[in-house]
Amino acid sequence: GAVVSQHPSWVICKSGTSVKIECRSLDFQATTMFWYRQFPKQSLMLMATSNEGSKATYEQGVEKDKFLINHASLTLSTLTVTSAHPEDSSFYICSAEDRGWNEKLFFGSGTQLSVL
Amino acid sequence: DAKTTQPPSMDCAEGRAANLPCNHSTISGNEYVYWYRQIHSQGPQYIIHGLKNNETNEMASLIITEDRKSSTLILPHATLRDTAVYYCIVRVGTGNQFYFGTGTSLTVIP
Repeated sequence: GAVVSQHPSWVICKSGTSVKIECRSLDFQATTMFWYRQFPKQSLMLMATSNEGSKATYEQGVEKDKFLINHASLTLSTLTVTSAHPEDSSFYICSAEDRGWNEKLFFGSGTQLSVL
Repeated sequence: DAKTTQPPSMDCAEGRAANLPCNHSTISGNEYVYWYRQIHSQGPQYIIHGLKNNETNEMASLIITEDRKSSTLILPHATLRDTAVYYCIVRVGTGNQFYFGTGTSLTVIP
């Protein structure tokens, strides 16, 4: 199946700093990518939908100025957590849609963010 | 928002079939049913999806009722490695949002 690479796998940062997470589709072009966050023992919560070349669409309650999403190419989307605080500590997961694979979504391995 | 309802947890004996139910009573005619699973601290893994007909692949079978209001994922011979949280998702199709519900935590018992 298609491969989605997400980096870094884990990151620890100080409160007030910004953290960038990359999501790449390695063997297909992804017009649409999705970003999720997941707290321990909870389900995945959709944060935003990212379309190549246009502004991301954020879910209700997600601060667009705090979670900056850029989808500049068909194989790369980035999520930047700006001025991170301890409450932003979470597991962040990206996914990409490969229309060549009959509308399947493929997921990255996730990024564990810990803000001290 | 998620449009599916699943039991929170299930057990299955190793080697037996695991049957995971999902209710999606408000599904629209053009919405697909997808199944994914997530093993602890990893990204979800695609299992199978379908629109109306039953589907089978190397991992599982998907049985969708005729009225499409519910479906069942069948893992024919469960192994310990199938222990995971299984999510049933309905979605219109390409480019549209993909919302996860609460899922079913499946434990395969030796």
